[in-house]
Amino acid sequence: GAVVSQHPSRVICKSGTSVKIECRSLDFQATTMFWYRQFPKKSLMLMATSNEGSKATYEQGVEKDKFLINHASLTLSTLTVTSAHPEDSSFYICSARDPSGRTGELFFGEGSRLTVL
Amino acid sequence: GENVEQHPSTLSVQEGDSAVIKCTYSDSASNYFPWYKQELGKRPQLIIDIRSNVGEKKDQRIAVTLNKTAKHFSLHITETQPEDSAVYFCAASRPPNYQLIWGAGTKLIIKP
Repeated sequence: GAVVSQHPSRVICKSGTSVKIECRSLDFQATTMFWYRQFPKKSLMLMATSNEGSKATYEQGVEKDKFLINHASLTLSTLTVTSAHPEDSSFYICSARDPSGRTGELFFGEGSRLTVL
Repeated sequence: GENVEQHPSTLSVQEGDSAVIKCTYSDSASNYFPWYKQELGKRPQLIIDIRSNVGEKKDQRIAVTLNKTAKHFSLHITETQPEDSAVYFCAASRPPNYQLIWGAGTKLIIKP
């Protein structure tokens, strides 16, 4: 299957700083990637859809100025948590669809656990 | 919009027994229903999926059934093993964008 890689896997930062998380499709091109947030023992919450070469589409209630998404190439999407605060601490995970288009399968990155002190 | 409900939230079964997790959806236009398994601290991975043109699909110890009339689908795991312990998520999607709407998840515990 397709491989999606995410970096860093863990990050600890101070309140007020910004953190960038990278999501790469390693063996295929992804015009669209999805960014999720997952709280402990909870389901996946779609934050935004990242579109290569255009603006991301944010879900209702997600602050686009807080969670900056850039999809500058067909293999890389980045999520930047700006001016992070403790309430932003969470597990962030990206995904991309099966590049063959034959199935609806989503391939997920390893996830990034953000802890804001 | 679509809403997916998943039950139970936690399921504990004896090793070797079967486990069944159920989901219901609200949008009758939904036509793709995947199940993902997520081990602690790991990424979700697709274990089985079903489209609305079939009622059942099986892959070794895992099966999924779909009842379009009742708008519910279920995951069946037979002969459970310790490595089946994980959180399982169901989801539903529909055209045109096939955005996945996720269930709340079921924590499956396999007791030795």
